[in-house]
Parts: sequence; C-alpha cells; structure tokens
Amino acid sequence: EAGVVQSPRYKIIEKKQPVAFWCNPISGHNTLYWYLQNLGQGPELLIRYENEEAVDDSQLPKDRFSAERLKGVDSTLKIQPAELGDSAVYLCASSLDRVGANTGELFFGEGSRLTVL
Amino acid sequence: SQQGEEDPQALSIQEGENATMNCSYKTSINNLQWYRQNSGRGLVHLILIRSNEREKHSGRLRVTLDTSKKSSSLLITASRAADTASYFCATDASGTYKYIFGTGTRLKVLA
Repeated sequence: EAGVVQSPRYKIIEKKQPVAFWCNPISGHNTLYWYLQNLGQGPELLIRYENEEAVDDSQLPKDRFSAERLKGVDSTLKIQPAELGDSAVYLCASSLDRVGANTGELFFGEGSRLTVL
Repeated sequence: SQQGEEDPQALSIQEGENATMNCSYKTSINNLQWYRQNSGRGLVHLILIRSNEREKHSGRLRVTLDTSKKSSSLLITASRAADTASYFCATDASGTYKYIFGTGTRLKVLA
C-alpha cells in the first residue's frame, strides 16, 4: 500500500514568489491534514479536511495561504506571496477516521522543505 | 500553539540502555499518541494510549498515562543506534477533534 505522497520534496524560492505543495493521501483516508514544522519544533496544524470540507482552518494565515482538496482526495497548499518566515517543512498527513474515533493514527508524508531567500 | 511539552529536550545514551522521555499537556484528552521522526523524514506512529488506559506495551516500547497529572512517559528499552530520532507526543484534546504535537525529545543512541 502506497503511503502519503508529497511533492516537491524541496523548493527554494525568492521572497514574494508563489509556491504550491501537493499531497496525495492514502487511498480511502477521509481526513487530510496540513502541518507546518519549524526547525527543532513539533508540527503545527494549518488545516484539516474531512473529505472535501475544510473543517478546521483556524490556524491557516488566510492572507497568503490557501488550500483546496478537490473531490476529497488530493490536496494542494499554496502560499502567495511567500515571506522569509515561511521557510519550514510542510507536512501532509491522512487518517482513516476522524480524530477521536477508532485508531486516530496519522500517516505522514515525507514533507516539503521550503526555503525562502 | 503547542499543547504538549516533552522532557528532556535532548537525550544521549549508550546502546543497550533504556531511554525515558516525558510529555506533559494542558487540557483533558481523548487519547495520546507517540510519534518518531528521523532526520529529514516524516513522522511515524509508534503507539496510541486512550484516556481510560494507564499503560501500554508494544515491542520495546512502554507508554504510561497519568490523566490526573496530565502527563505521559515513553520508555524505550534496550535502545539501538537505529532508535536515534526525535520523539513527539500528540494529544487529541477533548472536543477539538485535532491532534496537537509537543516540542519533541531528540534522542541520540551511541553505538
């Protein structure tokens, strides 16, 4: 069974440029998460989807960040324009069930490391 | 914001020794999970313990949960060099339906 796939693995851009990250979750997983991880820190939730609905985007900086999950499968996370402080690893995760129900285990992708110059 | 705090922040031990790391959290939870992250990789689920459980084992891992103290511990017995990684606790705060991760413990096992 394929795991969570993310691309690109690495991205280097100039500040004020746009950038997009793509995530393909495990087949059949209804819930999808985007996390941001700064160096030496734990992941911080940006947005959570249940199927195609964004059920928690309270931590997403909506002035420059946007996300979508069309047809409840793949998802993209976009930053426009990027700022120096956006340099971080962007992690995508999926789970079979809603948090709090059944296993709640999250399956993570390898992450997309963004460097903004 | 991060709900959990792991302690210690960093731990260095010899191969074969046991490693213990602790996690404290702030609010009531449904369950608590531990994850491992190798350098430059994604997180991998290790074990989940529910709020009505006090102890759980999986291979060389032993997790305890004390909801009265809002704390958990992860014990790795007979550590190996391959256990070198960062370890994070994640709590499913009651009513929020989302997992919040702690700051992590960086474990280094010396061969």
